[in-house]
Amino acid sequence: QVHLVQSGAEVMKPGASVKVSCKASGYTFNSYYLHWVRQAPGEGLEWMGVINPGGGGTAYAQKFQGRVTMSVDTSSSTVYMQLSSLRSDDTALYFCAREALPYEYYFDYWGQGTLVTVSS
Amino acid sequence: QSVLTQPPSVSAAPGQRVTISCSGSSSNIGNNFVSWYQQFPGTAPKLLIYDNYKRPSGIPDRFSGSTSGTSATLAITGLRTGDEADYYCGTWDNSLSDVVFGGGTKLTVL
Repeated sequence: QVHLVQSGAEVMKPGASVKVSCKASGYTFNSYYLHWVRQAPGEGLEWMGVINPGGGGTAYAQKFQGRVTMSVDTSSSTVYMQLSSLRSDDTALYFCAREALPYEYYFDYWGQGTLVTVSS
Repeated sequence: QSVLTQPPSVSAAPGQRVTISCSGSSSNIGNNFVSWYQQFPGTAPKLLIYDNYKRPSGIPDRFSGSTSGTSATLAITGLRTGDEADYYCGTWDNSLSDVVFGGGTKLTVL
């Protein structure tokens, strides 16, 4: 069965960077795009971007361009999302999600979420 | 401010039918497939509907989706207390080149 397992909660200072991991199992890793979606406390879902594990290509939401970097380690079937210049409003639950089919933009499996708290 | 507009909350009695609307534009819903997600507090969203009306394996036919022009609708029949959750619509936006979501709708089963 498909599993996406994310790294644990982080507490960061404003201005710092955070790197969250998402380890995939149960399917052919290179065959599915992986996305990152975040959710601030009490708020809705917000798309951050996508990475193609097969070739490493990425596309980022306009809001996060210049601050977010997504990467992949195919040897461990893990993708990473790094967000820099953290602010208090980056406090959120960060999810990785598998895109079911290329360019269909719907997500059939999700990680459990990683809480990132930004506080001085 | 979300690109897709959903009502903040809806409510209905057990056994009844409820609909949740999702309003967009020609750059998103009007020209792309819509998906719907169910989310319980503190947990990851779960896919309910994709490609406007299709249900993944394991999703009961009490859940259905439809679209008309630049709007989409999720309908839930035979409401149960276990359906109390937040529901989100999502799609691709051609102008923004982003995946966009609605602001979410909280369903209360009275």
